[in-house]
Amino acid sequence: DSGVTQTPKHLITATGQRVTLRCSPRSGDLSVYWYQQSLDQGLQFLIQYYNGEERAKGNILERFSAQQFPDLHSELNLSSLELGDSALYFCASSVGGGGGHEQFFGPGTRLTVL
Amino acid sequence: EDQVTQSPEALRLQEGESSSLNCSYTVSGLRGLFWYRQDPGKGPEFLFTLYSAGEEKEKERLKATLTKKESFLHITAPKPEDSATYLCAVQASGGSQGNLIFGKGTKLSVKP
Repeated sequence: DSGVTQTPKHLITATGQRVTLRCSPRSGDLSVYWYQQSLDQGLQFLIQYYNGEERAKGNILERFSAQQFPDLHSELNLSSLELGDSALYFCASSVGGGGGHEQFFGPGTRLTVL
Repeated sequence: EDQVTQSPEALRLQEGESSSLNCSYTVSGLRGLFWYRQDPGKGPEFLFTLYSAGEEKEKERLKATLTKKESFLHITAPKPEDSATYLCAVQASGGSQGNLIFGKGTKLSVKP
């Protein structure tokens, strides 16, 4: 158990809908990262928050957004969902925000868009 | 462009048959290289961090090494429970971000 929690574990929805994925980091970690894992692309970085502020952006679509709250939990919002958004979404956390620190991953949310 | 390439894509071993997994990387400046283990449907599990060429780390049957262009994960006398996908990732230096750039992984199967 990494100490990172994610809910829900599974999510099945229809095209065009909007969903919210939630992540709680390990106790003491200030950084939260979101990654998407699909069969053909592997693990792709989406976005990083550090202590409530956006720190870095990867290949995140404009239909996706995220935020980190004062209690450091984070939410990833996916809207206008398409079939291609079906994937595993992982949250990871680390102590620092600038790198050089191990990232610990949660169990993931499996999103299926029908 | 920062890139990580892992080989082979898949590896089948007999129990006790030692081997190595390769991770080649191209990055503007290396802040750290990370190895993770991932079981099907689960989140990646942290194994090692390597920071500079020549560095080595060990954990049970696993040993990770680092050169200026690649890293190896050596598996000595593997057991069936070592079957998993092994992921390599790099963190580039420069800037304030800490995101990881992952390779596509090596799927290891160890048969009894």
